[in-house]
Amino acid sequence: GAVVSQHPSWVICKSGTSVKIECRSLDFQATTMFWYRQFPKQSLMLMATSNEGSKATYEQGVEKDKFLINHASLTLSTLTVTSAHPEDSSFYICSALSGGGRYEQYFGPGTRLTVT
Amino acid sequence: GQSLEQPSEVTAVEGAIVQINCTYQTSGFYGLSWYQQHDGGAPTFLSYNGLDGLEETGRFSSFLSRSDSYGYLLLQELQMKDSASYFCAVSGNTPLVFGKGTRLSVIA
Repeated sequence: GAVVSQHPSWVICKSGTSVKIECRSLDFQATTMFWYRQFPKQSLMLMATSNEGSKATYEQGVEKDKFLINHASLTLSTLTVTSAHPEDSSFYICSALSGGGRYEQYFGPGTRLTVT
Repeated sequence: GQSLEQPSEVTAVEGAIVQINCTYQTSGFYGLSWYQQHDGGAPTFLSYNGLDGLEETGRFSSFLSRSDSYGYLLLQELQMKDSASYFCAVSGNTPLVFGKGTRLSVIA
């Protein structure tokens, strides 16, 4: 089956620093990847859609200058949380869209970000 | 816009059957998916219904009625390890939109 990896699985950083999270599709090419954020005991909220070779599309209320997304290849998308604050602490999950006419998203294992 | 409704919590006894309902309002509907998420983990895909009817995968079954904008996930022979959150999600011409999740607690 399709496998998506994320790195790191968890990260602790200080307020004001930047953190980069990588999302890779390991055995398939993904022209489209998605970034979700999940706060404790809440649902997954879509942050942005990442398309290979073009600018990401951000959901309403998500600051594009704070959450930088780069999808430079068909197997890698990165999310950089810039000038992180404690309220950015969350579970960040990426997913990659399958091809072949079936709209199925494969999720990475998630990255737990804690900003101190 | 898109919205999904599912119960927030369900408790069931080990070995029993439980049904988690999901109603949705959306445009450009392709199908209804179900995901399981254990605490601290990422969602894992359980099933997908693109057409009306029942899809069965082992102990899990999922049903869709497009005319009623309704679906459900049926879990049979419940096991303690089934205690998790279950999300329905609609797919259309947009990325998956998730419901708020149903917290299933399986008790002995």
